[in-house]
Amino acid sequence: NAGVTQTPKFQVLKTGQSMTLQCAQDMNHEYMSWYRQDPGMGLRLIHYSVGAGITDQGEVPNGYNVSRSTTEDFPLRLLSAAPSQTSVYFCASSPLGQGAPRGYTFGSGTRLTVV
Amino acid sequence: SQQGEEDPQALSIQEGENATMNCSYKTSINNLQWYRQNSGRGLVHLILIRSNEREKHSGRLRVTLDTSKKSSSLLITASRAADTASYFCATAQGDSNYQLIWGAGTKLIIKP
Repeated sequence: NAGVTQTPKFQVLKTGQSMTLQCAQDMNHEYMSWYRQDPGMGLRLIHYSVGAGITDQGEVPNGYNVSRSTTEDFPLRLLSAAPSQTSVYFCASSPLGQGAPRGYTFGSGTRLTVV
Repeated sequence: SQQGEEDPQALSIQEGENATMNCSYKTSINNLQWYRQNSGRGLVHLILIRSNEREKHSGRLRVTLDTSKKSSSLLITASRAADTASYFCATAQGDSNYQLIWGAGTKLIIKP
């Protein structure tokens, strides 16, 4: 039981480059989300999804796109990387059905540096 | 926007002592959750307490919720070196019982 898997763990990008951060979960959770974590701050929500085909913006969505074609996968795309996007990115999932809420399961994070 | 604010920002205690962290929030909530984050790792869910609950226990963890004061506390009893981590509170508010808003965390250091 892998839980939430994020790849890559580390990435260095040049300003203007694009890339996709991968997130996959094997728990059949309806809810998936992307956060960024910056020093001294709490997690800030980028985008989230409550099921396949449904996505919505969070607190800091600019510069990022998401899609949810399957229940399992929720990739985060950086369109044109900027130094301000240097951060640690976390993917999290949660069930929404019976027995919810039950707390989030987090991936181990992707540390992104934009130079 | 931060809903929960943890206090203190940092806490250093001797192994075996109890550690208490507090979380205050601004608007009414559906539930409040505590998470632990070890250095360089993802967050791990500890306890969820609903707005109609006042106290919950899990092993050495005890969480209280005072909705009249809009505050919660996390007590770790008989601390161990492995408890060294950052602890975050997060609140679900409004129409959602799953969308969370996070505090900046309390960094807990357990000295051997």
